[in-house]
Amino acid sequence: EIVMTQSPATLSVSPGERATLSCRASQSVSSNLAWYQQKPGQAPRLLIYGASTRATGIPARFSGSGSGTEFTLTISSLQSEDFAVYYCQQYNNWPLFGGGTKVEIK
Amino acid sequence: EVQLVESGGGLVQPGGSLRLSCAASGFTFSSYAMSWVRQAPGKGLEWVSAISGSGGSTYYADSVKGRFTISRDNSKNTLYLQMNSLRAEDTAVYYCAKVPGVVVVAAPYFDYWGQGTLVTVSS
Repeated sequence: EIVMTQSPATLSVSPGERATLSCRASQSVSSNLAWYQQKPGQAPRLLIYGASTRATGIPARFSGSGSGTEFTLTISSLQSEDFAVYYCQQYNNWPLFGGGTKVEIK
Repeated sequence: EVQLVESGGGLVQPGGSLRLSCAASGFTFSSYAMSWVRQAPGKGLEWVSAISGSGGSTYYADSVKGRFTISRDNSKNTLYLQMNSLRAEDTAVYYCAKVPGVVVVAAPYFDYWGQGTLVTVSS
């Protein structure tokens, strides 16, 4: 059974700084990895699929990389609206989400 | 514009039943697989079930298999989740989510989400 592990659990970043979020799969999921953003009281929003392809309407400051078992979501310059919880999800087989990384204001 | 609007949540006793609905608009509903994803209060996301565009193929998480049934009415552009034998651990916000067209239904990701409906299982 695949386990998805996100780190860190909380990331404190100042506006304008770069944020790097990690997602690790316990076995290879190829490039079948998506990233979502969720703000309090809202539904998740798809950011990245195929490990590195931005979804429709997602700003270029969001980028994804990796394949196999190691993945990264990078937010190049954090804006105020980017403070949220981020989830990775593998879809190589049954959909499985990571535990999330909360990006908070430093 | 894609819109997904869930309804049917509420308070139910353990062992009880509830049926959730998701009204879809803004896309050709019958052409896309759909899914339910839930989130327990203060917790992460858990995939629950998926159904193909025709409704002929369905998939379930082990945690709900045998208790929940996903279905759809393409004439009404509506997705359903029949939940029986509910347990306290089923308490969550239930989201309806659209699956992109090219994705394998049994292994989807989700490009649009509804706002969710809260199900509380408690005596």
